[in-house]
Amino acid sequence: GENVEQHPSTLSVQEGDSAVIKCTYSDSASNYFPWYKQELGKGPQLIIDIRSNVGEKKDQRIAVTLNKTAKHFSLHITETQPEDSAVYFCAARNPPLFNKFYFGSGTKLNVKP
Amino acid sequence: EAGVVQSPRYKIIEKKQPVAFWCNPISGHNTLYWYRQNLGQGPELLIRYENEEAVDDSQLPKDRFSAERLKGVDSTLKIQPAELGDSAVYLCASSLNSIETQYFGPGTRLLVL
Repeated sequence: GENVEQHPSTLSVQEGDSAVIKCTYSDSASNYFPWYKQELGKGPQLIIDIRSNVGEKKDQRIAVTLNKTAKHFSLHITETQPEDSAVYFCAARNPPLFNKFYFGSGTKLNVKP
Repeated sequence: EAGVVQSPRYKIIEKKQPVAFWCNPISGHNTLYWYRQNLGQGPELLIRYENEEAVDDSQLPKDRFSAERLKGVDSTLKIQPAELGDSAVYLCASSLNSIETQYFGPGTRLLVL
């Protein structure tokens, strides 16, 4: 099956700095990679996603990059703000395995004012 | 547009007792997922429905867990009897179909004493 690894598990940055979270996946058949933000006491909320036919996608301060050859993808947050503090999860969807989503273990981002 | 609705939001029960969770997906979404999220980890799929049909229940502990989606809309997840290790957040998600983005509800936080 698919295995998604996420690093780092915790990340602390100063407000205004950039934050980068990295994920690797094991099955080259995976073709869709969403990122979720989960605030305390809430369910994961989709913030950005990328499909395997695209190398990069941006949405204001958030961007995702995908390297299919190396089987890794990254979330980039620029000009971080205190409200960006949350747990972020990456995921990979694997079509051969019934389109199942496999999640990383999460990164707790703390943005210090 | 209303999001995924789950109830109850919190549940505390004693071990060996039964418990049930309810989910109402986003209107028009044919695919419904139940996930379990243990503390500090990413969501893990328990079961996925395509309309009324359970198409992936390989991770559902069938000796004590059951789920249904009788009319292809709302769904319930039941645990009977509950064990201490069942303490977790139970997340419901829905998507238009199995290849589209999934959206999560707020989750039900279960504590088994």
